[in-house]
Amino acid sequence: QYVLTQPSSVSGTPGQRVTISCSGSTSNIGSSNVYWYQQLPGMAPKTVIYRNDQRPSGVPDRFSGSKSGNSASLTISGLRSDDEADYHCASWDDTLTSPVFGGGTKVTVL
Amino acid sequence: QVHLQESGPGLVKPSETLSLTCTVSGDSVSGKYWSWIRQPPGKGLEWIGYIFSSGTAKYNPSLKSRVAMSVDMSSNQISLTLRSLTAADTASYYCAFGSGGYRYWGQGVLVIVSS
Repeated sequence: QYVLTQPSSVSGTPGQRVTISCSGSTSNIGSSNVYWYQQLPGMAPKTVIYRNDQRPSGVPDRFSGSKSGNSASLTISGLRSDDEADYHCASWDDTLTSPVFGGGTKVTVL
Repeated sequence: QVHLQESGPGLVKPSETLSLTCTVSGDSVSGKYWSWIRQPPGKGLEWIGYIFSSGTAKYNPSLKSRVAMSVDMSSNQISLTLRSLTAADTASYYCAFGSGGYRYWGQGVLVIVSS
């Protein structure tokens, strides 16, 4: 159902580093920018990474993004309880000529 | 900082038409792309479509026959119309700045389709 593939959940303890993967293809991640959106429970999505690895002002540098080939990843360092949220990856697809999303990854802080 | 605020009914009857408005502040809608995205309860994000300030729009093929977007530059607003609603259209609806990736999102409005 979702063009991009993310794990359904990842977890970590406070202070740990967690990484969320996002897998696509040459028609999307392989040729376009990747965005990452954080969605706290009951809230609207918020952009934490744009254009693969850029952080909007106000987003802590604990959040970092990277892209290699047809895959991308979001890393949260120094995990905090308020990082507990769903994280969605997104990109543009040249074949569909539309934006595409992953199904979202729930990050749980143990 | 761009701020987006959606407004519209929270409850709509099946077969009726949904009309939502997104009011933009902090920037002009002119010369830019604006998008609508929705999220059914407990599910992921679904792209509805985007529109350029000139009025040129592109819609999700699965919704294309029922959806329309427009821009009102005098009010700095973007509008979404979705016809022939069913329960499957129950979702939170968000407007966002951009076409393929979004820097700013509105807070969203939950729309329930029920009689």
